[in-house]
Amino acid sequence: NAGVTQTPKFQVLKTGQSMTLQCAQDMNHNSMYWYRQDPGMGLRLIYYSASEGTTDKGEVPNGYNVSRLNKREFSLRLESAAPSQTSVYFCASSSHRGGELFFGEGSRLTVL
Amino acid sequence: GENVEQHPSTLSVQEGDSAVIKCTYSDSASNYFPWYKQELGKGPQLIIDIRSNVGEKKDQRIAVTLNKTAKHFSLHITETQPEDSAVYFCAASIRGGSQGNLIFGKGTKLSVKP
Repeated sequence: NAGVTQTPKFQVLKTGQSMTLQCAQDMNHNSMYWYRQDPGMGLRLIYYSASEGTTDKGEVPNGYNVSRLNKREFSLRLESAAPSQTSVYFCASSSHRGGELFFGEGSRLTVL
Repeated sequence: GENVEQHPSTLSVQEGDSAVIKCTYSDSASNYFPWYKQELGKGPQLIIDIRSNVGEKKDQRIAVTLNKTAKHFSLHITETQPEDSAVYFCAASIRGGSQGNLIFGKGTKLSVKP
């Protein structure tokens, strides 16, 4: 049982490049989330998907887009990366909104 | 906006001692308060949670207390062990809106010295 799987684990980009972070869960959860973690800032919600077919902005959505491809997969896209987007990104899922969050192991992104 | 404040940001204890981490929240409608533990290089993992209809919950060496009147809740770890060393995050549920479901504190790095 893999739980929540994120790819890639590490990525270095140049300013202006684009990339997509992939996330998949095998727990048949309805809700999925993308967080970013920065030193001293805790976990901040970027976007979430309460159920398949819906997405909503979180606390820090600017510069990001998301796609809930199906019930299992939720991707995060950076269209034009900026150094301020250097961070560790975590995908999470829960059986329902308000339920226990299950996190992936994170994707460390550096934008030069 | 809604806010969760967590203190201290770092905590160092001797093995066997107790550790206490405190959080305050601003949304009076918050009714769910989980605690997550993050080990180095891993994603956070739920260790205990409490809902607003109870004042205290225990699970072996870990306990959480909630004071809804004062809008604060605390994590207590007794008989600390080196494997308790990690970053701990408190969180509080918030009413709908753009922030989704939980807002997190900034974390406490706990170091347990053998």
